[in-house]
Amino acid sequence: KNEVEQSPQNLTAQEGEFITINCSYSVGISALHWLQQHPGGGIVSLFMLSSGKKKHGRLIATINIQEKHSSLHITASHPRDSAVYICAVSQGGADGLTFGKGTHLIIQP
Amino acid sequence: NAGVTQTPKFQVLKTGQSMTLQCAQDMNHEYMSWYRQDPGMGLRLIHYSVGAGITDQGEVPNGYNVSRSTTEDFPLRLLSAAPSQTSVYFCASSYYHLRAGALNEQFFGPGTRLTVL
Repeated sequence: KNEVEQSPQNLTAQEGEFITINCSYSVGISALHWLQQHPGGGIVSLFMLSSGKKKHGRLIATINIQEKHSSLHITASHPRDSAVYICAVSQGGADGLTFGKGTHLIIQP
Repeated sequence: NAGVTQTPKFQVLKTGQSMTLQCAQDMNHEYMSWYRQDPGMGLRLIHYSVGAGITDQGEVPNGYNVSRSTTEDFPLRLLSAAPSQTSVYFCASSYYHLRAGALNEQFFGPGTRLTVL
């Protein structure tokens, strides 16, 4: 079973700061997913990546397959970015995703 | 498109009662799954399906049943509710590349918050 670890567990930052959330996993994967969960519960997929880097607006996700590590960056952070960010991996096959416990991010004005 | 819908949003049960959580998607996704989310733990897979008529167990299947009679619907049945099943339940769907064995981007429903007394 893949072990997915996220750091930090909690992060409080000021508006405008550059944010980095890290994810590491123990076994080779077919893809890594970054998800966002706002208070109130809805979960939204931000990125799915298997190599390199992806960018969407102020969000950037990178993955290093050899090191089994991914990072999610938020540039020019804003209070509306406050949410739980969840890393999940799929190992091929249909048996779903294995999730990290999430990083609780608070951006203060 | 409504995406993935779940009903009910909230439910309170007494120990031993049974109920069905409903999940439907209108994106013609082959793959559907049920997860539960508990405080301090990551989401955990309960059951999944790669197409109508095909279901399989995930990490925590005990106490739950599923069926997939259509592409759109994937209900989760609690046979005899227990307090340990108090949780938030999420249904998700995605495309699934059978030959590659790879799941695509996941689309989640809004969740069902279940309390078992």
